[in-house]
Amino acid sequence: DTGVSQDPRHKITKRGQNVTFRCDPISEHNRLYWYRQTLGQGPEFLTYFQNEAQLEKSRLLSDRFSAERPKGSFSTLEIQRTEQGDSAMYLCASSLVSDPGELFFGEGSRLTVL
Amino acid sequence: AQKVTQAQTEISVVEKEDVTLDCVYETRDTTYYLFWYKQPPSGELVFLIRRNSFDEQNEISGRYSWNFQKSTSSFNFTITASQVVDSAVYFCALSEADSGYALNFGKGTSLLVTP
Repeated sequence: DTGVSQDPRHKITKRGQNVTFRCDPISEHNRLYWYRQTLGQGPEFLTYFQNEAQLEKSRLLSDRFSAERPKGSFSTLEIQRTEQGDSAMYLCASSLVSDPGELFFGEGSRLTVL
Repeated sequence: AQKVTQAQTEISVVEKEDVTLDCVYETRDTTYYLFWYKQPPSGELVFLIRRNSFDEQNEISGRYSWNFQKSTSSFNFTITASQVVDSAVYFCALSEADSGYALNFGKGTSLLVTP
């Protein structure tokens, strides 16, 4: 399978715990995005990378959220001291610089904070 | 500021009917892109179309067509002869060229096509 893959698909955690999600983009894609989606809403932009550089972060991304893409390939999104409001689907997408906005999305990682 | 409004929350049609999904956007930039994405029940978002702000030509792809009108800031999506497999949530999105093409999505329109 050469699509965008995300792991884990589901994560249940207790409030205050840290969680980390991983995204493996399509191999030749140099842009990688993180979005968050809650029920009945459209995806909300969190951050994006071009190769290993994090070029933009949303104001939605509080200090408890950190994302990395150390070698310009896979990316991780870590949420520290989770809160119930963090419960959502976290979506990763990748694209080519030459095809702006044509994002290929993964199936998402669903986070439930109890 | 960017804003995408999809006023129709849910639409239900019978198979073979035509259906139009509305999208109205706001931006101060002259250079921007508009998109439609489909999210089927399986959950994975799928890209359907991209339009840049300088290209107002309407586009047709099979049963799908898109009507972009800058004068009314609208980018509407029509499905002709709808099929049950068209049932999904459809999102309209906007991005500005200098924002790294970070998409700003609307809240989506849930389309249900019944046999």
